[in-house]
Amino acid sequence: EIVMTQSPATLSVSPGERATLSCRASQSISNTLAWYQQKPGQAPRLLIYGASTRATGIPARFSGSGSGTEFTLTISSLQSEDFAVYYCQQYNKWPPYTFGQGTKLEI
Amino acid sequence: QVQLVQSGAEVKKPGSSVKVSCKASGGTFSTYAISWVRQAPGQGLEWMGGIIPMFGTANYAQKFQGRVTITADESTNTAYMELSSLRSVDTAVYYCARMSGGGNWDYWGQGTLVTVSS
Repeated sequence: EIVMTQSPATLSVSPGERATLSCRASQSISNTLAWYQQKPGQAPRLLIYGASTRATGIPARFSGSGSGTEFTLTISSLQSEDFAVYYCQQYNKWPPYTFGQGTKLEI
Repeated sequence: QVQLVQSGAEVKKPGSSVKVSCKASGGTFSTYAISWVRQAPGQGLEWMGGIIPMFGTANYAQKFQGRVTITADESTNTAYMELSSLRSVDTAVYYCARMSGGGNWDYWGQGTLVTVSS
């Protein structure tokens, strides 16, 4: 099973600032990585797939990069609605599909 | 617009089973994989298994093998997840999600809270 490790567990940032979230895979997964945003009481929302492609309707301030084992989600200028938990997920080798443990982005 | 609507919250006794439904509308049901992902209180996301309705064969995470059964009914555009031998650690929100072509999930149900308590 591929283990996904996210860092940091919690990231404190001010509105308008840039946030950088990291995700590492225990083995190479090429670019088969997705990022999700989850707000309290809501289902996850797909942000990025293929490591760097924004999903439909996702603002341009969200960007993804990386391949192999190291990946980054960058939010260029944080808006109040961006404070949430973010998960990475690999879909290179399955079953099982696996998620990181999440990064909580807080003000 | 694709919508996935799940059945309501459940309270179950340890050792019993639960069956959660997920009704799809607004898209092609048969050809997209439906997965089940759960989230224990305050915890992360965990993939349990999935099915492509037109093929009818499910894949499961090894952790749940033997305890979970995922099925789909093309006539009603509904997927089901049944989990047996429930324990308190199975208390979680259970989500169904539609897989896009590439292995990630673009549409999600609203979640179903399953509480296991004596």
